[in-house]
Amino acid sequence: GDSVTQMEGPVTLSEEAFLTINCTYTATGYPSLFWYVQYPGEGLQLLLKATKADDKGSNKGFEATYRKETTSFHLEKGSVQVSDSAVYFCALIPGGFKTIFGAGTRLFVKA
Amino acid sequence: DVKVTQSSRYLVKRTGEKVFLECVQDMDHENMFWYRQDPGLGLRLIYFSYDVKMKEKGDIPEGYSVSREKKERFSLILESASTNQTSMYLCASSLTGANEKLFFGSGTQLSVL
Repeated sequence: GDSVTQMEGPVTLSEEAFLTINCTYTATGYPSLFWYVQYPGEGLQLLLKATKADDKGSNKGFEATYRKETTSFHLEKGSVQVSDSAVYFCALIPGGFKTIFGAGTRLFVKA
Repeated sequence: DVKVTQSSRYLVKRTGEKVFLECVQDMDHENMFWYRQDPGLGLRLIYFSYDVKMKEKGDIPEGYSVSREKKERFSLILESASTNQTSMYLCASSLTGANEKLFFGSGTQLSVL
């Protein structure tokens, strides 16, 4: 069935370090891909999305490129801040409106 | 500001109790969802609804039911709470088009003792 696999955390970085969180997926057809972020004590909110192959989603300095050949959607940011500390979820919609989530990756950024 | 509001942030219940979790959205969204979030498992879909009085089972519906009598309100019911239902419950809503993003509430942390 459709699924999302993302790297286990926690990931601990120093401020201004480069961030990569890996995400791969299994789905038939052409899913839409998403990254959601959950700050402490809050629900999830959309960070970025991409709906077709080679699309790049971007927001708040974060980027991810839809790679169909490797079935991946890795999240990157060139310089993280303490305020980026959160849990990041990779997700897909295989078709329709049901969203499937990965397990989440917790990021800690130290000052 | 658009909002999805969950009635309780924390809830403590006893085994065997009937539990109601309420969710209200003010965005006139057609679709509403209930997920549970557990460490290492991410979010798992319990039930969803694409219209008033309509409901569909998600991936883990056992032990739960839902009610959607009005478009803006979607309730999750634990018929007889058990300790393995201790979890964070997240409500979400979306527009009816394909591939629409989800808007989430802040969650209800339920503890069943």
